[in-house]
Amino acid sequence: AQTVTQSQPEMSVQEAETVTLSCTYDTSENNYYLFWYKQPPSRQMILVIRQEAYKQQNATENRFSVNFQKAAKSFSLKISDSQLGDTAMYFCAFVFNTDKLIFGTGTRLQVFP
Amino acid sequence: KAGVTQTPRYLIKTRGQQVTLSCSPISGHRSVSWYQQTPGQGLQFLFEYFSETQRNKGNFPGRFSGRQFSNSRSEMNVSTLELGDSALYLCASSITRGQGAGETQYFGPGTRLLVL
Repeated sequence: AQTVTQSQPEMSVQEAETVTLSCTYDTSENNYYLFWYKQPPSRQMILVIRQEAYKQQNATENRFSVNFQKAAKSFSLKISDSQLGDTAMYFCAFVFNTDKLIFGTGTRLQVFP
Repeated sequence: KAGVTQTPRYLIKTRGQQVTLSCSPISGHRSVSWYQQTPGQGLQFLFEYFSETQRNKGNFPGRFSGRQFSNSRSEMNVSTLELGDSALYLCASSITRGQGAGETQYFGPGTRLLVL
């Protein structure tokens, strides 16, 4: 069975600093896709970044980047120059050969001024 | 383009009742998936519809059902509500040119259901 683990229930960071959220997953599949979603207090789930497992290059999206280590089954999210608006729950998710997203338990990120 | 919309946003029901939630996907998106979010169980996949057919189903009892219409709008129904059905129900849509293509799913704002 495929599982996604986020070992940090809560993290905090000062505005303008950098923070890294961890995610590991377990699968025997070779082709799959990984996502980070953000869920602010409004509860709207927003895509942060998407990574295709067959691409070795790490995905980046403005201040957000990932460190994808396929052999280690690790997919961490780095947020640079943290902003107050980054305060949210962050979910790591995995999908393969269907459209069923498997989510981790989430990391609550608090950005302090 | 308008995003995914869900109605109603909030709902209060009593045990034993049934409820229908609605989801309108982004224009052009043909796949609609439903997820249940609770503090205890986290985010769990309910089912996915594509071209009016249920393509995938999660591990939920038969009280949970859904359907999709020809315009890709989807509804989910929960019959004989239980207290444990209280949750945020999220709908997501994607283009899905092919199953398993890892297309991004775009989420709606959710329907918060409270069962008393």
